[in-house]
Parts: sequence; structure tokens; C-alpha cells
Amino acid sequence: AQSVTQLDSQVPVFEEAPVELRCNYSSSVSVYLFWYVQYPNQGLQLLLKYLSGSTLVKSINGFEAEFNKSQTSFHLRKPSVHISDTAEYFCAVSVKRGSTLGRLYFGRGTQLTVWP
Amino acid sequence: EAGVAQSPRYKIIEKRQSVAFWCNPISGHATLYWYQQILGQGPKLLIQFQNNGVVDDSQLPKDRFSAERLKGVDSTLKIQPAKLEDSAVYLCASSPGTGGTEAFFGQGTRLTVV
Repeated sequence: AQSVTQLDSQVPVFEEAPVELRCNYSSSVSVYLFWYVQYPNQGLQLLLKYLSGSTLVKSINGFEAEFNKSQTSFHLRKPSVHISDTAEYFCAVSVKRGSTLGRLYFGRGTQLTVWP
Repeated sequence: EAGVAQSPRYKIIEKRQSVAFWCNPISGHATLYWYQQILGQGPKLLIQFQNNGVVDDSQLPKDRFSAERLKGVDSTLKIQPAKLEDSAVYLCASSPGTGGTEAFFGQGTRLTVV
């Protein structure tokens, strides 16, 4: 079975500071890795994903995550955060199920709060 | 492109009552998921459909929860009877199916059982 651990439930930072949200996973098979963001009273939005190939993946709004197979980690980073980045961030893994996307296993989430 | 539509957005019911949630996935998406998100936790899969067939319902409490996707398009999730611990946000998501590598989520239905 797959599982995801997000090591920090809350991360407060000041605007323009760098941030890292940590994610470790456990799986006996190859997985896809995802980071989703959830704003208050909204659904989940995909931030970025790792499927294969280059281990460093980037989003359009400055976030990046690196897949580290040996450490089974997929940490999310941003060099300079904005107040608008305040949200809950979820790390997730999925096993490819035949030719379709299987279930997503989510971590408990990390609340990122950016202070002015 | 329209996103995943869910209704209602909010629902308050008393314990032992029944409730139903509706989801319309993105047009053409063959795979549909229902997730339960309890406050302070990550979403947990309840059931996954591929077209109108069930792919994974291993975490669905079948004594009280049921779901259907009769025509392979929209879906209904029902709880009967509801318990206090069913208070949660119920998220519907869809994926293109073959070759799909991303799930698109609706805004969810927040259920409060009192």
C-alpha cells in the first residue's frame, strides 16, 4: 500500500522569504507524485506533478519540486513567497492503474501562511 | 472548458437522515472519483468509476454509503443513514481515462451532520 507523510502541519513565513514544504512517501512500486493546493472553500488545484523523466518539475507560479527516489521524497520549494500563496498544500501519490490514473493517496496537508 | 460541477455546496442534516450529492465531471472524462475530506486530514478515496463500472470501492462504507454512475457521465453519492462522523467535505474529481495523468477536482460539498 501507498502512504504519504507531510512532516509539517503548519509553516508560517514572511513575504519574500524562501519556503520548503516536506513530503515523504512509501510505496513498493513506481508512483506518480503530485502537489495540490487548496484555497479556503475551494476544491483542489494541481500545482505540479512528476510522472517520469527529469526529477525537477516546476509550476507556472514559481514553485518547484524534486523527486528523490533514494530518499522517497518530493519536497516543494519556492525561493520567494507572496501573500497570495497562503493556502493548504497537499502531497499525493498514485499508482498507474492499467492505462488510467489510479487512486490518489494524500498526505494530511501543510498550511502555508505568508505574513506581510 | 467547464470544470467538475458539484451540488449542493453545503448541506446540514440531522443524524440518521439521508443525503445525496451530485457530480457532473468534465465532458469526455471516463474516470470519476469521490473523495471524503475530514477536517484536518487529506482527502480519502471512497469510490472510483471507469465509465459506469466500479474500479475501486474498497474504502467505501457500504453499509451506509452508495454511489452510482448509471450512464457513465454524472454520478450520485448517497449516505443513509448519516452519522456524526460523516461530517466532511465530499469532493468529486474526474480524469480523462486512458492515458490520463491528472485528476481535476470540483469545489466539493460540505456536509454537517448534527
